[in-house]
Amino acid sequence: DTGVSQNPRHKITKRGQNVTFRCDPISEHNRLYWYRQTLGQGPEFLTYFQNEAQLEKSRLLSDRFSAERPKGSFSTLEIQRTEQGDSAMYLCATGTGGDYGYTFGSGTRLTVV
Amino acid sequence: AQSVTQLGSHVSVSEGALVLLRCNYSSSVPPYLFWYVQYPNQGLQLLLKYTSAATLVKGINGFEAEFKKSETSFHLTKPSAHMSDAAEYFCAVSLTTDSWGKLQFGAGTQVVVTP
Repeated sequence: DTGVSQNPRHKITKRGQNVTFRCDPISEHNRLYWYRQTLGQGPEFLTYFQNEAQLEKSRLLSDRFSAERPKGSFSTLEIQRTEQGDSAMYLCATGTGGDYGYTFGSGTRLTVV
Repeated sequence: AQSVTQLGSHVSVSEGALVLLRCNYSSSVPPYLFWYVQYPNQGLQLLLKYTSAATLVKGINGFEAEFKKSETSFHLTKPSAHMSDAAEYFCAVSLTTDSWGKLQFGAGTQVVVTP
């Protein structure tokens, strides 16, 4: 158990490019969440997976955002046609439910220039 | 719907002094409540959680918090601040009726510890 792993840690991209982030959860964790954190704010919920099923998406998740968890293990978050407003820390959290105390990864910091 | 308000975006405490971080919530149903800590360029680490058992909750690193339903509060305290407590602290709420367990976070409180 090495915790929740997120890659890359940092990503700088030009406006209009597509980016993809990856989250590897703790192996027995069936719940997986993506959050977005902008400077000076708390994290905001983006989407939730239970195993491979995406069960909830926030209104923050525009059509340019897509997330997958194909085999109920790792997850990817893709942003198409990035905009400067997408610059943020993207956090992945996983857990088993019940106690609702999730484990967060270290995040991917995206900078759109 | 639920929301979290953290009073004070920045708190400065002297080493050895009491740390008190305030959190008030609003929730239409009984909540689960959490405190997380975030160090620079890191993810969030769970300090403690209230999930409808004891109202006084003890967490890691000497922190504790008390759930007060009448005041809709969940304030975080530590009797004696250490330099290593300098970080950002987030209060979060989850609804007991939310099967998906997503968290609603406050805006955070930055703690500075002075020697």
